[in-house]
Amino acid sequence: EDQVTQSPEALRLQEGESSSLNCSYTVSGLRGLFWYRQDPGKGPEFLFTLYSAGEEKEKERLKATLTKKESFLHITAPKPEDSATYLCAVLPVYNQGGKLIFGQGTELSVKP
Amino acid sequence: SAVISQKPSRDICQRGTSLTIQCQVDSQVTMMFWYRQQPGQSLTLIATANQGSEATYESGFVIDKFPISRPNLTFSTLTVSNMSPEDSSIYLCSVDLRGDTDTQYFGPGTRLTVL
Repeated sequence: EDQVTQSPEALRLQEGESSSLNCSYTVSGLRGLFWYRQDPGKGPEFLFTLYSAGEEKEKERLKATLTKKESFLHITAPKPEDSATYLCAVLPVYNQGGKLIFGQGTELSVKP
Repeated sequence: SAVISQKPSRDICQRGTSLTIQCQVDSQVTMMFWYRQQPGQSLTLIATANQGSEATYESGFVIDKFPISRPNLTFSTLTVSNMSPEDSSIYLCSVDLRGDTDTQYFGPGTRLTVL
């Protein structure tokens, strides 16, 4: 069964304290892995798409990396405005219909 | 990217009634999706709505409970029928803008509370 597990469930950081969020996945074949940010009461905001092991993408303080079994979202010198829930999702290679399988998310809190 | 809007943004409904949620995109898209996010949970796909064809429902979701319309390439509706408190969730629509990247972009969501 295709599955996505994110850890930790919640993460509290001080401003400037770098850390990483983990997304482990089990899928018969990976078509793509996606990271989203979700603020309370809002829809998920797209961050990154990764397609193959070894791929990396960066945006401001965020960098996403991908291996054959997991993805990391690295946050460098976070600021309070980075506080949000970060969602990871996979699209299996056999799925032509676009069904994303989401993890439970990591709730990040950055304190000043 | 595109501008995706949903109406209503939130509603409180009585048990046994129905609510229709609208999703509007400012550009033409082939694939639109409807997700549910129950309290404290992640997103679960309800169905895929392609223009000109019947919606495709995921396991556990049926057309009688969640009828979907897709009259054109910029608009879709999801109806939550005969509601119960268990239907209290955030309902989100998403679109695949280009089709070749598989990336889905989400609307702001509709927060539904059923009493």
